[in-house]
Amino acid sequence: QQQVKQSPQSLIVQKGGISIINCAYENTAFDYFPWYQQFPGKGPALLIAIRPDVSEKKEGRFTISFNKSAKQFSLHIMDSQPGDSATYFCAASKGRYSTLTFGKGTMLLVSP
Amino acid sequence: DGGITQSPKYLFRKEGQNVTLSCEQNLNHDAMYWYRQDPGQGLRLIYYSQIVNDFQKGDIAEGYSVSREKKESFPLTVTSAQKNPTAFYLCASSIQGASTGELFFGEGSRLTVL
Repeated sequence: QQQVKQSPQSLIVQKGGISIINCAYENTAFDYFPWYQQFPGKGPALLIAIRPDVSEKKEGRFTISFNKSAKQFSLHIMDSQPGDSATYFCAASKGRYSTLTFGKGTMLLVSP
Repeated sequence: DGGITQSPKYLFRKEGQNVTLSCEQNLNHDAMYWYRQDPGQGLRLIYYSQIVNDFQKGDIAEGYSVSREKKESFPLTVTSAQKNPTAFYLCASSIQGASTGELFFGEGSRLTVL
C-alpha cells in the first residue's frame, strides 16, 4: 500500500511558469515532509522540507504548502527555469529514528 | 570533500551470480540506507542501519543482504535469490534518523543482469 501518493507523474512547463507537484499521505503520524530533486544519473538531493507546525515554507523560488487537515502537501516552483528540469520526489517520515517513505516521483521538463 | 562514495558506477552480472555494491561515507553519520530505484517506482528502501553492527530490513529486503562492521561502510550484496535485480541502487546516510534532517545520497550504482 502506497503511503505517499505523488502527482502528476510528469509535467511540462514553459520557462517562467509555475510548476506545481502534489503529494497526499495517509499516516497522520508523519511529522517531516521533505522534497528531493534528482538530475539524471545522480543521486537525489534535499531541496526543501517542512514540519506540520507550519503551513508554508519558502526558499527562493521553491515553496512548500502544507494542509494538515487534508493530509496534502505540494511543491511550487516559481519562475521555472530549464535548469529546474529534473525528477522531484516528495517524502514523509515519522519519529526521530524512522526512515523516509518516498512518492513515485514527478519528471519535470521546463521548456526554453 | 565529505560525501558518499558508491562503487562501481556500472556493473554487469550474469544470472545466478552474487554481486556486492560498495558504499562509503566520511560524513561521520550514524545512519545509512540502501534504496532501489526503478522507473516510475520511486525510491524503495532495501535495508537500513542506525548504528554499527545493527541493521533492519526495509520494504523490499528479499534477495539482498548487508553488513555494517564499520561506521563508514555499508555494503549491499545482491544475491542470486533476487528475482529482478536490474535497477539503479542508491546509498544514503543521515546524522541520525531520517526525520532529524537531511539524507545525503551517493551517485548510485547501476546493475544490469545479462
